[in-house]
Amino acid sequence: AQRVTQPEKLLSVFKGAPVELKCNYSYSGSPELFWYVQYSRQRLQLLLRHISRESIKGFTADLNKGETSFHLKKPFAQEEDSAMYYCAHRSDMRFGAGTRLTVKP
Amino acid sequence: TAGITQAPTSQILAAGRSMTLRCTQDMRHNAMYWYRQDLGLGLRLIHYSNTAGTTGKGEVPDGYSVSRANTDDFPLTLASAVPSQTSVYFCASSSGSGANVLTFGAGSRLTVL
Repeated sequence: AQRVTQPEKLLSVFKGAPVELKCNYSYSGSPELFWYVQYSRQRLQLLLRHISRESIKGFTADLNKGETSFHLKKPFAQEEDSAMYYCAHRSDMRFGAGTRLTVKP
Repeated sequence: TAGITQAPTSQILAAGRSMTLRCTQDMRHNAMYWYRQDLGLGLRLIHYSNTAGTTGKGEVPDGYSVSRANTDDFPLTLASAVPSQTSVYFCASSSGSGANVLTFGAGSRLTVL
């Protein structure tokens, strides 16, 4: 079945440490993937999409077709990055289970 | 402010009762979606509508129904609520084309006792 998998439900790092949130997919062809974020008391919102190859709030994500991955990375985590992160696929709008990132001071 | 409005914000419902969660958008988006958010399971798609007059089943459609009489409204109905439907429900919309980025509502927290 086509799906997006986020293997880590919880991830905790210290401020200033690198962070990587994992996302793997099983879609065939040319997948189009997104990362959405939900900060405390805020609505779910788009963080970035692979097609634009942009860096948002210091986060980047590269599509790796060989590893079928779209991991989200940031070299130096900040406390304000603490949030729930979801990987999603554009074609069927399905999401992974999410990873709750906590950045400790 | 343009966007998606969901109602109610929170509701406690007795098992067996029916309930309709309302969702309205003012962005003239073609596509609309209903998700439920559960701890450890993330966001799961319940139903969707690619355009007014059409609907489709998502990953977890059982126990839920939707209608899309017009572009703006996409209500979600629980005909006979069960405790397993206790969740936070999110409505979302997208243009349905191009980047197809989702805009989300604030969510409706439903507790079924």
